[in-house]
Amino acid sequence: QSALTQPASVSESPGQSITIPCTGTNSDVGSYNFVSWYQQHPGEAPKLLIYDVSYRPSGVSDRFSGSKSGNTASLTISELQSEDEADYYCSSYINTTHVIFGGGTKLTVL
Amino acid sequence: QGQLVQSGAEVRKPGASVKVSCKASGYTFTNYHIHWVRQAPGQGLEWMGIINPSGGSTIYAQKFQGRVIMTTETSTTTVYMEVNSLRSEDAAVYFCARDLRSLRRSDAFDIWGQGTMVTVS
Repeated sequence: QSALTQPASVSESPGQSITIPCTGTNSDVGSYNFVSWYQQHPGEAPKLLIYDVSYRPSGVSDRFSGSKSGNTASLTISELQSEDEADYYCSSYINTTHVIFGGGTKLTVL
Repeated sequence: QGQLVQSGAEVRKPGASVKVSCKASGYTFTNYHIHWVRQAPGQGLEWMGIINPSGGSTIYAQKFQGRVIMTTETSTTTVYMEVNSLRSEDAAVYFCARDLRSLRRSDAFDIWGQGTMVTVS
């Protein structure tokens, strides 16, 4: 199966908000509320930001929020800060047993 | 809480095998599934499969079926991932990651190992 679709790059100014979409199909994003989002800085392991579409793990800033409509999930980051500059990946449950990732989005905070 | 510590970088020739370890600490080892994810240089994340440390049952991504073996050693709270018949495109950083939920899958990964770089050359 192909990766979930994310824009390769996005950019926005500090203090603004940005939304990163993650588009799948009826076999993954559209069928399950098991969408997660990860942040990855260069040379580091990914960090879980959102799970089950819209839940934040303890310790994750409330500037990060998730949602889903149909086959598209979204990550919104509000009040952008320089440290938010990173790669962002979505993932989803698929076919009842597997996991699929998005291709990743590079966020630049101008 | 909890931590996953992986083994160090490896260099292998094409056709060889590599076995990466992932030692868990700080939580009840058998309560949480472990996933393996890899990332080729400059590329995105790729899910390889999952192992249940309680019993050792596994599910592999179709791409890795027959070439990847995941095992668990409860006595040392360590999970292993072996890739056989290495090819150049297997060069990547390999991560182990703990599933968020206890006793069942959630497919969200809340604790990650530091990654193990495998070079195939």
